[in-house]
Amino acid sequence: AQKITQTQPGMFVQEKEAVTLDCTYDTSDPSYGLFWYKQPSSGEMIFLIYQGSYDQQNATEGRYSLNFQKARKSANLVISASQLGDSAMYFCAMRPGGGNAGNMLTFGGGTRLMVKP
Amino acid sequence: GAVVSQHPSRVICKSGTSVKIECRSLDFQATTMFWYRQFPKQSLMLMATSNEGSKATYEQGVEKDKFLINHASLTLSTLTVTSAHPEDSSFYICSASTAALFKAFFGQGTRLTVV
Repeated sequence: AQKITQTQPGMFVQEKEAVTLDCTYDTSDPSYGLFWYKQPSSGEMIFLIYQGSYDQQNATEGRYSLNFQKARKSANLVISASQLGDSAMYFCAMRPGGGNAGNMLTFGGGTRLMVKP
Repeated sequence: GAVVSQHPSRVICKSGTSVKIECRSLDFQATTMFWYRQFPKQSLMLMATSNEGSKATYEQGVEKDKFLINHASLTLSTLTVTSAHPEDSSFYICSASTAALFKAFFGQGTRLTVV
């Protein structure tokens, strides 16, 4: 079974500063994918970044980067230069590797990020 | 990216009635669709996986007679909440995928309130 843990229920960050959201995972699958999603109050799930378990380099997408430490089973999200619009819930998620049925996701409990002006 | 449309975005229904939620993949053929439920201030929990043309696979604890899922075509899956009760009030969100995609794409979600 897969498990995702986000230990920070809520976090504050000052506008324009960087922030790290923690995520640890547990799986026995040799192949898996890790995702981060942003969920604003509207409820939509906005895809931010993806890291495959065999990817050698940490994923980056604009202001988002994923600090992937495979041995520690952690996949922390780093948001640089925070903006007020970054205030939202953030979910870390994992999918098992291989095949279409593998695109089901197991989610962590989420972290509410609040950006202060 | 691929587009998934979910309808309605909000619905209020009376206890005992049934509600149907639609999930459509607009620009790709989704061989698999996933249905999640999210209670207030909680995370998303997978309810069921539906593959086109076959019966849905439900997660443990999800009543398949209460949450009817139909995936009759490669672009449409429906979730019907039957005999709804106030405790079914929740945010329901679908995602759609195909073997060629490394991830599934989410619909906008449906906020169901049962009164």
